[in-house]
Order: sequence, then structure tokens, then C-alpha cells
Amino acid sequence: GENVEQHPSTLSVQEGDSAVIKCTYSDSASNYFPWYKQELGKGPQLIIDIRSNVGEKKDQRIAVTLNKTAKHFSLHITETQPEDSAVYFCAASHPNSGYALNFGKGTSLLVTP
Amino acid sequence: DTAVSQTPKYLVTQMGNDKSIKCEQNLGHDTMYWYKQDSKKFLKIMFSYNNKELIINETVPNRFSPKSPDKAHLNLHINSLELGDSAVYFCASSLSRTGNTGELFFGEGSRLTVL
Repeated sequence: GENVEQHPSTLSVQEGDSAVIKCTYSDSASNYFPWYKQELGKGPQLIIDIRSNVGEKKDQRIAVTLNKTAKHFSLHITETQPEDSAVYFCAASHPNSGYALNFGKGTSLLVTP
Repeated sequence: DTAVSQTPKYLVTQMGNDKSIKCEQNLGHDTMYWYKQDSKKFLKIMFSYNNKELIINETVPNRFSPKSPDKAHLNLHINSLELGDSAVYFCASSLSRTGNTGELFFGEGSRLTVL
């Protein structure tokens, strides 16, 4: 099955700095790569996603890049704010698994003022 | 209105007991899921139902039995609870079984503690 590795497990940045979280996946058939943000005591919420026919996608301060050859994708958050502090999960899905999302182990991001 | 609602939010019980967690979505989605989040925050899919039909059943002990009375509801029943079942269980839904056509909407989670 699909195996998604995510790094780092924890990340601390100063407010205003950029944060980068990286993920790799194992199954070349995977074609959908979302990122979810989970705040304390809440369920995960989609913040951005990318499909395998696109190399990069941006939404305001958040961007995701995908390298299909290397089977890795990254989340970039610019101008970080304290409210960006949360756990971030990458995920991958492919048709052979019924399109179920396989999540990485999460990155706990702390943005300090 | 809450899109995906789960009850109860907290559940504390003794080993060996049987318990259920209920989930309802009012989004009109066809596909519903159960995910388990352990103490290290790892999110792992357990089951997926599409229009009341089971389409994903990961390697979950058969003490766990999902039931979907209609496409808006997916309940999780757990028999003979064990210490290792302690976790947060998340229900989620998506527009269709093709996860790459849209996002998962998660409930707020049900924290199960087995003593």
C-alpha cells in the first residue's frame, strides 16, 4: 500500500518567517495530494491540495509543490502568523486504494511572536 | 449547522465493554469514513462506505463493526474494548468515493478512553 513519510515532526519558526514541510510517497499511481491543518481539539481541515498533472499551486500565503519524478511534495507557508500554529498533515491517494487518503504522521508547527 | 457531527465527544469506559460512536453528515455526500488518531497524532483510515456499501476495510480487528443505515449516517460499534483502542476516532465524509475529486470533511472527533 501507499506509504507517506513527512518531515519534520516538529517545526518552530518566528512570526513572519517561512515554514516548509516535506512529504514523500511510495506509490507512483498516487495522483492526489492534499494538505490538512488540525487545530487543538478539532478535526483536520483541508487547506490546499494538488493533483498529479500540476507542479505547483498557490493560495495566498500557502503554496504546494509536487515533484512526481522524485515522488515528493512540499507545503510552503510564508509570512507565518501565530494562528498558523497547528498540526499539519500531508496525504496521498490513488485509485487502487479506493481513493482513501493515506496520511503522513504530521508536523507540529509553532509560530512564536 | 454542523456538517459532520459525531456523538459522543468523550467516552470513558472499562476494558471488555461494548460501545458505539454515531456519525451524521448533512452535506449530501455519498461517501463516509472512519479514521483513528492515536496518541502520536497518526491518522489511519479504518473504513469507508459509499452509499451504504462498504468499500474500504483496512486491517482492523473484527471487534470493530461499522454500520451505515443510510448514506448520511455511519456508526462505529466496538466490542470487547481493549486498552489499545484508546484514541480519537474521526468520522469524515466526501462528495464521492473518488477522494481526489474533493476534500474530506471531518467531524470534531470522539475521544475514547479505555481503563
